[in-house]
Amino acid sequence: EAQVTQNPRYLITVTGKKLTVTCSQNMNHEYMSWYRQDPGLGLRQIYYSMNVEVTDKGDVPEGYKVSRKEKRNFPLILESPSPNQTSLYFCASKHGTGSTYEQYFGPGTRLTVT
Amino acid sequence: GQQLNQSPQSMFIQEGEDVSMNCTSSSIFNTWLWYKQEPGEGPVLLIALYKAGELTSNGRLTAQFGITRKDSFLNISASIPSDVGIYFCAGRNNDMRFGAGTRLTVKP
Repeated sequence: EAQVTQNPRYLITVTGKKLTVTCSQNMNHEYMSWYRQDPGLGLRQIYYSMNVEVTDKGDVPEGYKVSRKEKRNFPLILESPSPNQTSLYFCASKHGTGSTYEQYFGPGTRLTVT
Repeated sequence: GQQLNQSPQSMFIQEGEDVSMNCTSSSIFNTWLWYKQEPGEGPVLLIALYKAGELTSNGRLTAQFGITRKDSFLNISASIPSDVGIYFCAGRNNDMRFGAGTRLTVKP
């Protein structure tokens, strides 16, 4: 089954404790991205990657890092999480940059930072 | 970045009623998209619109790409309980912008 998977689905952590949220897709998509979803704000893009070893900042990259060492994986790293990073995070992927290719979203990771 | 204004924020309707929601922007988009998100899931694409003026249907759902390229609407006809969820519009050029969502509740 074609899908985007994220782990963990739920995470409660404390301020300053480094964490990684994994994202994997099995559709051989070139493009992957991370969003955060906050009430009243919709989804805002954190980082995206056009292909292996190519990453770029989205609208809200502060406090986050990403890497794209393999095509299928795009982990999101919070080196020193803070309470304002409490949010619902979504990973997404799609084929290249073709104008009619749209994103598939993962199931989400709910992160709470205390 | 440019913001999308999505309205209404929430709707409480009776099963069988029609639903209409819309999205406006101060900027032009080349693509308009409508997604649905159910609890515990990621957004799922419902309809994609690629041409100004385009009207596209997907079952009971109909969406239109505004002629000015600055707006789009989504209609759901004869709503059913499983239509419950949050509906997001998104406008795309090189990057994508999302509206804040419309939370739909359908009473049986």
